Amino acid sequence: DAGVTQSPTHLIKTRGQQVTLRCSPKSGHDTVSWYQQALGQGPQFIFQYYEEEERQRGNFPDRFSGHQFPNYSSELNVNALLLGDSALYLCASSLAGTLRAEAFFGQGTRLTVV
Amino acid sequence: DAKTTQPNSMESNEEEPVHLPCNHSTISGTDYIHWYRQLPSQGPEYVIHGLTSNVNNRMASLAIAEDRKSSTLILHRATLRDAAVYYCILRDVSGISNFGNEKLTFGTGTRLTIIP
Repeated sequence: DAGVTQSPTHLIKTRGQQVTLRCSPKSGHDTVSWYQQALGQGPQFIFQYYEEEERQRGNFPDRFSGHQFPNYSSELNVNALLLGDSALYLCASSLAGTLRAEAFFGQGTRLTVV
Repeated sequence: DAKTTQPNSMESNEEEPVHLPCNHSTISGTDYIHWYRQLPSQGPEYVIHGLTSNVNNRMASLAIAEDRKSSTLILHRATLRDAAVYYCILRDVSGISNFGNEKLTFGTGTRLTIIP
């Protein structure tokens, strides 16, 4: 089982550009969540996708958008990048409708905006 | 979101037990207590969770106070590999349905240092 895989692992972008990050969930999982983790902070919830729809959203601007595909994989898009968007972006997968539902996280994508 | 309070950092000697405390005085009846840890340069990793009773698994034990306003994660014999940031999280399951699970709200956690 490959677990949760994210690509790319590292990325450098210029202010104002757009970026797309990708996530493949753990086998058998149908729910994907995205988190942003600034240096020295805990992960902050961005949004969650289930059945190809955004189900929950954290306190992030509309510049952050996402998509879930029929195979449950997901993309996170960030438009008009700001220096403050530099962070580790984590993807987590889980199985919907179960009380135990521990989330499995990927290793993350380190985004640097210059 | 119900909040948790954890010490910023703790140290422990290798091969000794470690007790990581967490206060959650505003916990509601539908909040599960989850613990995750984040090793250096990795994503968070699930450790354990519970509702009311104490729980054990291969990684750790979770002791939950009778009033549920605090809990303690217990690592029975710490190794250098246990050095990580440990997060105590309350997960409200009252909205669990067929679509999606509740988000995880992380605090800043406890940075555990293991002394060889």
